[in-house]
Amino acid sequence: AQTVTQSQPEMSVQEAETVTLSCTYDTSESNYYLFWYKQPPSRQMILVIRQEAYKQQNATENRFSVNFQKAAKSFSLKISDSQLGDTAMYFCAFMQPTGANSKLTFGKGITLSVRP
Amino acid sequence: GAVVSQHPSWVICKSGTSVKIECRSLDFQATTMFWYRQFPKQSLMLMATSNEGSKATYEQGVEKDKFLINHASLTLSTLTVTSAHPEDSSFYICSAARPGQPQHFGDGTRLSIL
Repeated sequence: AQTVTQSQPEMSVQEAETVTLSCTYDTSESNYYLFWYKQPPSRQMILVIRQEAYKQQNATENRFSVNFQKAAKSFSLKISDSQLGDTAMYFCAFMQPTGANSKLTFGKGITLSVRP
Repeated sequence: GAVVSQHPSWVICKSGTSVKIECRSLDFQATTMFWYRQFPKQSLMLMATSNEGSKATYEQGVEKDKFLINHASLTLSTLTVTSAHPEDSSFYICSAARPGQPQHFGDGTRLSIL
């Protein structure tokens, strides 16, 4: 079974600064996807970024980028130029895309607070 | 992007009543829909996976007679909480997906049982 570990329950960052959220996972599979989801106080789940395991290049989406280290099974999220609207819970998630039922395995999440 | 609509967003009802929550994929056909439960400041807990036209697959510890799931079409799945009690109060979220694609989430339903 796959597991996803987010060991930091909370982090805080000053507006405009850069912050990195860590995530590690465990799997014996070679083909899988990794995601970061954001859940603001409204509780809507928003996909931030995705990474396919077969791609060596780290995914980027505007201010969000990942550091994907497949051998180390590490998948950290870097948020540059932090904004107040980035305040949210962030969940790292793993998906093995086999068959029709591609379940997500979530980490426990981290609460990020951006200070003005 | 893909849009998933969940309704209602908030429901308050008396203990012993049944509550139905709808999850619709508005602009794509979802072969699979998922139902999650989330307690405050915690992660999402998968309750069940449903495929269109077949019975839902429930996670261990989830009472299938308590949480009835119907996935009648490729765009609609419903979760019915039967004979709800205060301990069923929680935040319920659905998601919809196509094979190998990211799940797209509804906005969630806050259920309060008095």
